[in-house]
Amino acid sequence: QQQVKQSPQSLIVQKGGISIINCAYENTAFDYFPWYQQFPGKGPALLIAIRPDVSEKKEGRFTISFNKSAKQFSLHIMDSQPGDSATYFCAASTDNQGGKLIFGQGTELSVKP
Amino acid sequence: KAGVTQTPRYLIKTRGQQVTLSCSPISGHRSVSWYQQTPGQGLQFLFEYFSETQRNKGNFPGRFSGRQFSNSRSEMNVSTLELGDSALYLCASRPFTSGSQETQYFGPGTRLLVL
Repeated sequence: QQQVKQSPQSLIVQKGGISIINCAYENTAFDYFPWYQQFPGKGPALLIAIRPDVSEKKEGRFTISFNKSAKQFSLHIMDSQPGDSATYFCAASTDNQGGKLIFGQGTELSVKP
Repeated sequence: KAGVTQTPRYLIKTRGQQVTLSCSPISGHRSVSWYQQTPGQGLQFLFEYFSETQRNKGNFPGRFSGRQFSNSRSEMNVSTLELGDSALYLCASRPFTSGSQETQYFGPGTRLLVL
């Protein structure tokens, strides 16, 4: 019940295209859903986050779509750039366990020029 | 503001040894969490410390332990190292404001290789 399932495992997108990464969760107590971006040799960095009372959140080229009834959320990267090539992780936590993030398995994104 | 710092960055140990990793959180952050990252298991939560007390614990054996000091700096210890403990160990800090979700800021990690 603590799992977060992420797909696809890897993704190749042409420059200017849309990258879409999906996550699904089981624990309905989760109420915070961040996305992290990790470059080789670096720690993960927060990209964007959403709470279940919002169905969509947009920050620049990055958008999270959230479907509470389906227990799914996704990251859309518009106008993907080679500099976006990294590993992306979705995660979830509960309010009373905010320091405990449950991560998806990660998606390795490659944006081809 | 300086980010989360972790020392050492790289470490090579042999089976059976023990290791201590250190984490200095962002100034003013009072909560420190530790994660293990491996290619097979991904990012897994180890434990969280706040106010020198362990708040949460992940599903890891007792060989993995941690502590936090009064200045919020944290250490984690792994005793009787096994080959499977080879991983990137990440530390993350957050301010810890009661009742709110906060961004966890990650350090660069300590790469541990067990031979």
